[in-house]
Amino acid sequence: GAVVSQHPSRVICKSGTSVKIECRSLDFQATTMFWYRQFPKQSLMLMATSNEGSKATYEQGVEKDKFLINHASLTLSTLTVTSAHPEDSSFYICSAGGGQGVGEQYFGPGTRLTVT
Amino acid sequence: QQPVQSPQAVILREGEDAVINCSSSKALYSVHWYRQKHGEAPVFLMILLKGGEQKGHEKISASFNEKKQQSSLYLTASQLSYSGTYFCGTGGTSYGKLTFGQGTILTVHP
Repeated sequence: GAVVSQHPSRVICKSGTSVKIECRSLDFQATTMFWYRQFPKQSLMLMATSNEGSKATYEQGVEKDKFLINHASLTLSTLTVTSAHPEDSSFYICSAGGGQGVGEQYFGPGTRLTVT
Repeated sequence: QQPVQSPQAVILREGEDAVINCSSSKALYSVHWYRQKHGEAPVFLMILLKGGEQKGHEKISASFNEKKQQSSLYLTASQLSYSGTYFCGTGGTSYGKLTFGQGTILTVHP
């Protein structure tokens, strides 16, 4: 299957600072990537769809000025959490579609964000 | 709208079988199944596309009934490594976004 990486795997930051999370498709090109957020023992909630070369599409209730998404190339999408607050602490996971199959999405290993 | 999974949790002994169901109130193009272990990202198991197909590999298989807007995941002769939370993700179009169910926690004991 396709390989998706995320960096960093864990990050602790102070309230008010910004954090950037990278998502890379290592062995295939992804025109579309997805960003999810997952709270403990809960399901994955889609935050936004990242489209290469164009603006991201945000889900209802997700603040686009707070969660900045940039999809600069076919293998890289970044999520920047701006002016982070403790309630932004969560597990952020990206996924990329395409690769060898039809419709599969492959997930990155996730980034655990803790805002103190 | 989030698909509904049942049961919420199931406990098995090694070698027993289990079925996890996923129902949607919307028409579906595809159903994706993933398994997630604690603290890790979900791992892709299989995708079923519109057409009522059934898929499987080794001891895990799945079916998709598009008329009923339901999918079921079948785990036979369960192994300890099957433990985890299983999510179904439903999609409206190929390569499109997925909406995930609330998850089914599967625990396999020796």
